[in-house]
Amino acid sequence: KAGVTQTPRYLIKTRGQQVTLSCSPISGHRSVSWYQQTPGQGLQFLFEYFSETQRNKGNFPGRFSGRQFSNSRSEMNVSTLELGDSALYLCASSSGLEAYGYTFGSGTRLTVV
Amino acid sequence: DQQVKQNSPSLSVQEGRISILNCDYTNSMFDYFLWYKKYPAEGPTFLISISSIKDKNEDGRFTVFLNKSAKHLSLHIVPSQPGDSAVYFCAARDGGGAQKLVFGQGTRLTINP
Repeated sequence: KAGVTQTPRYLIKTRGQQVTLSCSPISGHRSVSWYQQTPGQGLQFLFEYFSETQRNKGNFPGRFSGRQFSNSRSEMNVSTLELGDSALYLCASSSGLEAYGYTFGSGTRLTVV
Repeated sequence: DQQVKQNSPSLSVQEGRISILNCDYTNSMFDYFLWYKKYPAEGPTFLISISSIKDKNEDGRFTVFLNKSAKHLSLHIVPSQPGDSAVYFCAARDGGGAQKLVFGQGTRLTINP
């Protein structure tokens, strides 16, 4: 079965701009969560959506937002980009049942200049 | 407040020998623990998990041990192979019902021929 697809793979944006990242989960998976990976902070949880509802949110400013569509695809938006937002953004999908059922995509590498 | 800690940033092991990666945690509410393997510019790949009610789980060359009283878990890889060289992340699931993983900082494992 197809894995988790994240687009685009690479993105370069200017400070102050906004960006939208996309994640298509594994077919049948209803839970999508987002993580940010930076060299200094490691992998940090951003938020999780299940059946179009945000179930949990990490400690990130309101500039980071997301949504999930009825087909379980999810988007993540970052507004007013800052240099510190440069990171690898990872999406993980899960059936919502098994603890081991988290499958990650390859990520979107965002560079803010 | 780092709830999941991997105190060894790197580990070097000879091919064929045992690799032992360690992880400590502080939150007693974690209900599942997972190990992921990660290559640069790729998403983490799930390796093995263990429920908080178990003390050992084995899958091929990988075994995870959980010591709840010490809040410590370890991943054993036997025998170690060159393809095992990667960054290994320990993660814990928040047992509050939300699909949120808390990650350690990672340990870079290098298998030497």
